Amino acid sequence: GDSVTQMEGPVTLSEEAFLTINCTYTATGYPSLFWYVQYPGEGLQLLLKATKADDKGSNKGFEATYRKETTSFHLEKGSVQVSDSAVYFCALGTGNNRKLIWGLGTSLAVNP
Amino acid sequence: GAVVSQHPSWVICKSGTSVKIECRSLDFQATTMFWYRQFPKQSLMLMATSNEGSKATYEQGVEKDKFLINHASLTLSTLTVTSAHPEDSSFYICSARDLSGGTPDTQYFGPGTRLTVL
Repeated sequence: GDSVTQMEGPVTLSEEAFLTINCTYTATGYPSLFWYVQYPGEGLQLLLKATKADDKGSNKGFEATYRKETTSFHLEKGSVQVSDSAVYFCALGTGNNRKLIWGLGTSLAVNP
Repeated sequence: GAVVSQHPSWVICKSGTSVKIECRSLDFQATTMFWYRQFPKQSLMLMATSNEGSKATYEQGVEKDKFLINHASLTLSTLTVTSAHPEDSSFYICSARDLSGGTPDTQYFGPGTRLTVL
């Protein structure tokens, strides 16, 4: 069945470092791909998404490109800030996005 | 943006009692809401899909008689954990789809409810 594999954390970086969080998926058909973020004490928020191959989602300096050939949707940011410390979830939307399939989440801690 | 609230944010109850959790879409109508359970190692598990005016659709392995879902209006869905036991202790999260906006495939999440069963 459909699944999402996300790199394990925790990830600890210094401020202004480059961030990559890997996400690969297995799916039938043409799913949409999402990155959600959960800041401490808050609910999940949509960070970015891509709905078809080669689409690039971007928001708040984060980017991810839907790569069908490698079945990947890696999250990147060129220069992280302390305020980016959160848990990041990769998700796949199937069945007209009635259902989201989730990765396990990657905890990111950014130190000043 | 679309806002989803949950109430209560946390609840502690005795084993054998029932607990109701509310999920509300505050500024949009949601014909479909979802209930998730978040496990300690951060994975989310979809429990059920709540459809306004009809029965909920439960995922495989989720007991529908234990986790009662009611979606009586376009802005409110409730999850009732009946005869709760310590193994039901978890973080429960709801989400809703806003079909009126430009991103109908996006789910908006509530802040979650921490349930602790003693």
